[in-house]
Formats: sequence, structure tokens, C-alpha cells
Amino acid sequence: GAVVSQHPSWVICKSGTSVKIECRSLDFQATTMFWYRQFPKQSLMLMATSNEGSKATYEQGVEKDKFLINHASLTLSTLTVTSAHPEDSSFYICSARDWRVMNTEAFFGQGTRLTVV
Amino acid sequence: GNSVTQMEGPVTLSEEAFLTINCTYTATGYPSLFWYVQYPGEGLQLLLKATKADDKGSNKGFEATYRKETTSFHLEKGSVQVSDSAVYFCALTPNAGGTSYGKLTFGQGTILTVHP
Repeated sequence: GAVVSQHPSWVICKSGTSVKIECRSLDFQATTMFWYRQFPKQSLMLMATSNEGSKATYEQGVEKDKFLINHASLTLSTLTVTSAHPEDSSFYICSARDWRVMNTEAFFGQGTRLTVV
Repeated sequence: GNSVTQMEGPVTLSEEAFLTINCTYTATGYPSLFWYVQYPGEGLQLLLKATKADDKGSNKGFEATYRKETTSFHLEKGSVQVSDSAVYFCALTPNAGGTSYGKLTFGQGTILTVHP
């Protein structure tokens, strides 16, 4: 159980276009999902907390108009990178928590490697 | 705020050597602590966790003990294998049961390479 699926695994897009990344909890309901970004050979930095049915909470320094997060259901959150530029190229990873179970950690998707050319 | 500090890498060992990766943290209250492993080109896998002081997390021969007095959660393995080569991340999340539980603060990661 506790499987989180992220799609796509990798994507290449042209500069100026928008890219949508999906994060799904396959066998549990997740009121809260988290989006992280990882630069090459660096650690993961939390971008935002996605809450089902409400606005996402962004970390300081993360542009909410550039990284649009939608959490329309208990099993799906999406991250849209708008007007992508080469500096947005990175590894994006989501995690989801099963709200019904106390003290359970958040489970990670397999990540999406975005390359903007 | 919360922070996690890991020992500098990379770490290179021979097969069957003893492994220690140091991790210390700063946090308010009693966070839960984790070790995650990331293989090349993949996402994160939970390796082990501990949710309260003196708890020992263990999995696949890896162990770490939650030491509140030293605010540490060092990762150890008695005999590493080539297949253990990966990046290891220490992380914490605020108190269990809180609305922020699951929101992780990561250390910088330690690259481990094990040679035959």
C-alpha cells in the first residue's frame, strides 16, 4: 500500500511553454501533498504544501504565479510550471500523506525530470 | 526554523566496510526523524525512521538511533555492499499529529560509493 505515482517521469519542453506534472496517491486518500525541487547533486527543497480543496501554501522565495498547484481531489495534485525557462530545469518530486493514519510519514513519487530547452 | 546537517561527502568504502553517516538536527519540540535513500535517476525511498527519543530505526542492515540529548540520528551499517551505493538523506518532520507532519526538511545528502 501507500503508493504515490508521478507523471510524467521526464519531460523536455521548449522555453516559454507550460508543463503540468501530476501526483497521484493510488491506494489512499491524501488531503495534503508536498512538492519538492532538487537541483543536480543537491538536496531537496520544499516548494509548497498542497491542500485538497484550498490554496497551496508556498515556501518563501517560490513564485506562486510560476508554479501553479492544484489539489482538486483527495488523490490528485498537479504542479504546472508556467512559461518555463532553462533555469526551471530540475527534478521535481511530490509526496503525499494518508490523513487517516496518525504518525505515518509522507510517501514519495518517483519524481519528474524537467528539461527546458 | 528546522534544519538538518549531514556529514560532508562523498563517502567511498570497500565492500564489507563499516558505514557511519552523521546527521544532526535543530528543531522545536520532538520531531520525527528519517533516513531516505535515492538511487541514480530515481525518487526517494524511505530507509528507516524514528518517531521519539531513544527509538532505533532499522532496515536492510541499516540502523539509526534518535538521540535527543545530542540531537543526532546517525546512520550505520556494519557491512556495506556495492548495491548500497546511492545518495542518503537525513530528514525531519514536525511533531506527529500536527498539520505539518510529513513536511520534510532535508539534509544536504551524502553520496556513498562502495567498491568491490
